[in-house]
Amino acid sequence: ETGVTQSPTHLIKTRGQQVTLRCSSQSGHNTVSWYQQALGQGPQFIFQYYREEENGRGNFPPRFSGLQFPNYSSELNVNALELDDSALYLCASSLIGRESYGYTFGSGTRLTVV
Amino acid sequence: AQKVTQAQTEISVVEKEDVTLDCVYETRDTTYYLFWYKQPPSGELVFLIRRNSFDEQNEISGRYSWNFQKSTSSFNFTITASQVVDSAVYFCALSETSGTYKYIFGTGTRLKVLA
Repeated sequence: ETGVTQSPTHLIKTRGQQVTLRCSSQSGHNTVSWYQQALGQGPQFIFQYYREEENGRGNFPPRFSGLQFPNYSSELNVNALELDDSALYLCASSLIGRESYGYTFGSGTRLTVV
Repeated sequence: AQKVTQAQTEISVVEKEDVTLDCVYETRDTTYYLFWYKQPPSGELVFLIRRNSFDEQNEISGRYSWNFQKSTSSFNFTITASQVVDSAVYFCALSETSGTYKYIFGTGTRLKVLA
């Protein structure tokens, strides 16, 4: 079974621009969560999607938004990029009802905002 | 509020030494899950173990062992006879038991195993 794949692996954007990050969930999984990991910190929960709707959200502003598609893949969109948005963005998938058994994480997209 | 503390920012050991990574958590929930993940330089978080709050039995998996003590709100991780391949950042995480089951991560401990 394939794991979680994310693209691109690295990205450099300018402050004020918009960015879209992509994630393909593990085969058989139907929930997707996004985490932001700043340098030297633990990952922080951004939001989760299930059945193409946001299922929960962390303490992130509305300029962080997402989508989930019928094939359970997902996008994270960030508008009006700020320097502090520079981080590793991790996508994690699971099967609804089985989240307590752990998520499968991708290798992340490293975003640098200059 | 839920919180996970990993006080050890970085640990260096020589190969074959034993090393323990500490994790202390805070939660008001009576039911919760605890996890350890390994993050190699490639970036992905690799699942190591899951423990629910009702199961205080310690666990051993090869060179890895975990000590869960509810009385001290700790969930420590020991690597026996460390190897260079164990070098990574290790995260302890606390999970909700409803809703999104989102993780609250600690800040991680960077382990360097020297040959």
